[in-house]
Amino acid sequence: AQRVTQPEKLLSVFKGAPVELKCNYSYSGSPELFWYVQYSRQRLQLLLRHISRESIKGFTADLNKGETSFHLKKPFAQEEDSAMYYCALTGNTGNQFYFGTGTSLTVIP
Amino acid sequence: DGGITQSPKYLFRKEGQNVTLSCEQNLNHDAMYWYRQDPGQGLRLIYYSQIVNDFQKGDIAEGYSVSREKKESFPLTVTSAQKNPTAFYLCASRLGQGSYEQYFGPGTRLTVT
Repeated sequence: AQRVTQPEKLLSVFKGAPVELKCNYSYSGSPELFWYVQYSRQRLQLLLRHISRESIKGFTADLNKGETSFHLKKPFAQEEDSAMYYCALTGNTGNQFYFGTGTSLTVIP
Repeated sequence: DGGITQSPKYLFRKEGQNVTLSCEQNLNHDAMYWYRQDPGQGLRLIYYSQIVNDFQKGDIAEGYSVSREKKESFPLTVTSAQKNPTAFYLCASRLGQGSYEQYFGPGTRLTVT
């Protein structure tokens, strides 16, 4: 069965500290992995996609097929990074998406 | 913001009544989705539609129905058969084949008492 696991419901880090939000997945095929973010009073929006290999707002995520992980990382957390983060996957058709339960990140000033 | 809208923002219904949630997009997207968001459970897919007049059940379709008569509209009906209808409902759209980014609406919070 397809599944996305985010083990941390809540994560707090100090400003300037490194942050890592964990995501593990199970999928019978080649998945497309994503991180979505929801800032306070804003809509859920795409943060980054594994295939683009971009760094968005200083965040990066590497797909590790051996460990079936797609952890989101940022070397120096900023207060504006405080938000809810969702890991998601889909298959190569992009028809059906599976989301994790989300991690609420708080960056302490 | 804009592009994909959901109305109303808050909706209250009595138990046993059907209720329809609106989702409209002007992005010319082919695919549309309905998710349910509950605390601690993330987003769970209810229904999705890849093209007009076609839709498929997601993981939690029981007690829900949809239609896709127009490209820009994908209304969701929460029927009286849905055992726990009180939730936050999110609609999303996606351009279509080869494009994976979903654009989300602002959501509708449904309360059934």
